[in-house]
Amino acid sequence: NAGVTQTPKFRILKIGQSMTLQCTQDMNHNYMYWYRQDPGMGLKLIYYSVGAGITDKGEVPNGYNVSRSTTEDFPLRLELAAPSQTSVYFCASSYGYGYTFGSGTRLTVV
Amino acid sequence: ELKVEQNPLFLSMQEGKNYTIYCNYSTTSDRLYWYRQDPGKSLESLFVLLSNGAVKQEGRLMASLDTKARLSTLHITAAVHDLSATYFCAVLTGTASKLTFGTGTRLQVTL
Repeated sequence: NAGVTQTPKFRILKIGQSMTLQCTQDMNHNYMYWYRQDPGMGLKLIYYSVGAGITDKGEVPNGYNVSRSTTEDFPLRLELAAPSQTSVYFCASSYGYGYTFGSGTRLTVV
Repeated sequence: ELKVEQNPLFLSMQEGKNYTIYCNYSTTSDRLYWYRQDPGKSLESLFVLLSNGAVKQEGRLMASLDTKARLSTLHITAAVHDLSATYFCAVLTGTASKLTFGTGTRLQVTL
């Protein structure tokens, strides 16, 4: 039982490049989330999904897109990367009150 | 907009001492989480507090929730160096179980 798996763990992007952060869970959770954590700060919600085909914006959605075609997968797309998107990205899933976080993706935009 | 405030933001304490971290939040919620984060790591779940008056203890850590005061506390008893980490509280809101995090309390326990 792997829980929530994120890939890649680290990535350096140049300004203007695009990439997709992958997130998959094997717990059959309906709810999935993307958070970002800037240095010395708490996590902020980017996007979330309550089930396959349903997504919605969180607190800081600008510059990102998501899709949820299956229960298991919830990729986060960065278009036209900017230095302000340098952060650590955490994917999470939940069922009821139990939350499971992935190990994170550390992204640097230069 | 829900605001979650923690204090202190930084806490340096000696081994063996007691201290409390406070988490205030601005809107009604009866679900609160405490997490621990070590440098470069993901979040480790410590406690889930599900109702007013809830108290949970694990080792040297004890968490409580007062939903009327919109306040949760994380009490550290007889601190040891291994407790050095950043501690976050997070409040659950909405039908999609979204979490709003505090800014964290960086705890440094000195020998």
